[in-house]
Amino acid sequence: DSGVTQTPKHLITATGQRVTLRCSPRSGDLSVYWYQQSLDQGLQFLIQYYNGEERAKGNILERFSAQQFPDLHSELNLSSLELGDSALYFCASSEAGLSAEQYFGPGTRLTVT
Amino acid sequence: AQKITQTQPGMFVQEKEAVTLDCTYDTSDQSYGLFWYKQPSSGEMIFLIYQGSYDEQNATEGRYSLNFQKARKSANLVISASQLGDSAMYFCAMREGSSGTYKYIFGTGTRLKVLA
Repeated sequence: DSGVTQTPKHLITATGQRVTLRCSPRSGDLSVYWYQQSLDQGLQFLIQYYNGEERAKGNILERFSAQQFPDLHSELNLSSLELGDSALYFCASSEAGLSAEQYFGPGTRLTVT
Repeated sequence: AQKITQTQPGMFVQEKEAVTLDCTYDTSDQSYGLFWYKQPSSGEMIFLIYQGSYDEQNATEGRYSLNFQKARKSANLVISASQLGDSAMYFCAMREGSSGTYKYIFGTGTRLKVLA
């Protein structure tokens, strides 16, 4: 158990809909990262938050947005969903520092039908 | 542009033998970190080993070692005495940034199958 929790574990929804994925980081970790892993693909970095502030952006679509709340939990909002958004979405957290290890949550499996 | 390349989509190794998974990277930053993660079929991402760009010694963690060749920009993972439970997808990743702002880039992964 990494200490990072993600809810829900599975989500099935229809095209055009909007969903919210939730992540609680490990206790004490200020950084939260979101990733998308499509079938048989590597991980695509989406966005990083540090202590409530957006710090780095990767390949995140404009239909996607995220935030980190004062209690450090984070939410990833996906809107106008398309079939191609079906993927495993991971949240990870880490301490500050370049060498700090990322701890991954179990992921949310999103299926868009 | 920053990039991680894993050229071996799949590898086989006999149980108890050693295996090397290749990873090359490209960055213009002087300060960066290199990581290896394991993803078993159950889907979770498991941290294996870390190497900092300024570390002179190769990192080791149990049966895992990282063969870091900075001039060649390679960070190969060596797994010694392979076990059946090592069968999984392995990802090499690079972290860049500073002062709380970090970006991670992952390779496309190598699927390792350990044979009994």
